Amino acid sequence: GAVVSQHPSRVICKSGTSVKIECRSLDFQATTMFWYRQFPKQSLMLMATSNEGSKATYEQGVEKDKFLINHASLTLSTLTVTSAHPEDSSFYICSAKTSLGLWNEQFFGPGTRLTVL
Amino acid sequence: SQKIEQNSEALNIQEGKTATLTCNYTNYSPAYLQWYRQDPGRGPVFLLLIRENEKEKRKERLKVTFDTTLKQSLFHITASQPADSATYLCALVPSYNTDKLIFGTGTRLQVFP
Repeated sequence: GAVVSQHPSRVICKSGTSVKIECRSLDFQATTMFWYRQFPKQSLMLMATSNEGSKATYEQGVEKDKFLINHASLTLSTLTVTSAHPEDSSFYICSAKTSLGLWNEQFFGPGTRLTVL
Repeated sequence: SQKIEQNSEALNIQEGKTATLTCNYTNYSPAYLQWYRQDPGRGPVFLLLIRENEKEKRKERLKVTFDTTLKQSLFHITASQPADSATYLCALVPSYNTDKLIFGTGTRLQVFP
């Protein structure tokens, strides 16, 4: 149980376009979802925390107008990278937390590799 | 400043030996600490969690220790196997009133036959 999926797994886009990444909890309801970014050979950096039905909380230095997060249901959160530029190329990973089960355990998705040309 | 540090150099060990990975943190008083495994191009997979009032946790071939005085956690894999080769990340929850995970940089483990 506790499976999180992401779609797409890879995306290549032109500079200036917007890209939407979906994160779904497949077999549980996620009270909170998190979005991370990971550059090559670096650790995961938390970008934002989203709770279903409310606005996301962004970490310091993350532009909320550039990285739009929508957590419309208990099983789906989306991250939209608007007007993407090459420096946005990265590995984006979501995680989901449930109020049930192990305290504060987060279940991670497989990640989305974004390449902006 | 606040830091979570793991040995950035890869750890190479022979199959059957015990691998020990280190996680040191500075200027945090974590509620608890977690260890994850990450394979290339994949998301992290949860392995173990240890709370601030726990000294040691075990799960099959895995053992985690947590020393809040030294501000250090050690992660051990006994009887290591080539399939254990991956990057191992430590992550801490900085306080009881947050869900955030702060990750270390990870250590790559390579187990050779």
